[in-house]
Amino acid sequence: NAGVMQNPRHLVRRRGQEARLRCSPVKGHSHVYWYRQLPEEGLKFMVYLQKENIIDESGMPKERFSAEFPKEGPSILRIQQVVRGDSAAYFCASSPPGLPYNEQFFGPGTRLTVL
Amino acid sequence: GENVEQHPSTLSVQEGDSAVIKCTYSDSASNYFPWYKQELGKRPQLIIDIRSNVGEKKDQRIAVTLNKTAKHFSLHITETQPEDSAVYFCAAHNSGGSNYKLTFGKGTLLTVNP
Repeated sequence: NAGVMQNPRHLVRRRGQEARLRCSPVKGHSHVYWYRQLPEEGLKFMVYLQKENIIDESGMPKERFSAEFPKEGPSILRIQQVVRGDSAAYFCASSPPGLPYNEQFFGPGTRLTVL
Repeated sequence: GENVEQHPSTLSVQEGDSAVIKCTYSDSASNYFPWYKQELGKRPQLIIDIRSNVGEKKDQRIAVTLNKTAKHFSLHITETQPEDSAVYFCAAHNSGGSNYKLTFGKGTLLTVNP
């Protein structure tokens, strides 16, 4: 039973470059969430997706950030023209479909460093 | 939206002592409250959760209590061990609506001294 997979685990980008973070949910899970964790802070919700749909992106910065969860393949969090303030750990979580099941399983995270 | 406050931010105890971490939430519609443990450089892992239809839940050395009226919930760890040292996060969630997101507290760094 593979858990949530994320890659890469570490990503270094220079200012202005693009960062692509990938997340493969637990098999059978149709709900994917992205959270950002700044140093010594809690996790902040960014976006919630189901297959081919963005359900809630209220935590996403309005510019440069986008997310998708295609019919086939992993969910992608894309950050264009990265800035130093984007340096953080980005965690993906997944949960199975249907209420009232709520537990979210977290991946190991991608640590993004912007030089 | 929901706002979760967590205290204390750091907690140091002697091995064998108990540790208590407290959280308050603002949205009375929240009805699911998980606690996650995160070791340094690792993923958050669920250790216990409670739903709003119960007031207390226990799993071996870990227990969680919920006071819906006061909108606060607490994590209790008894007979602490060095391997309990980690950052603990509380969270709140409204599973009845269309919003599935978890709102996290800022975390408590627990250090258990041998």
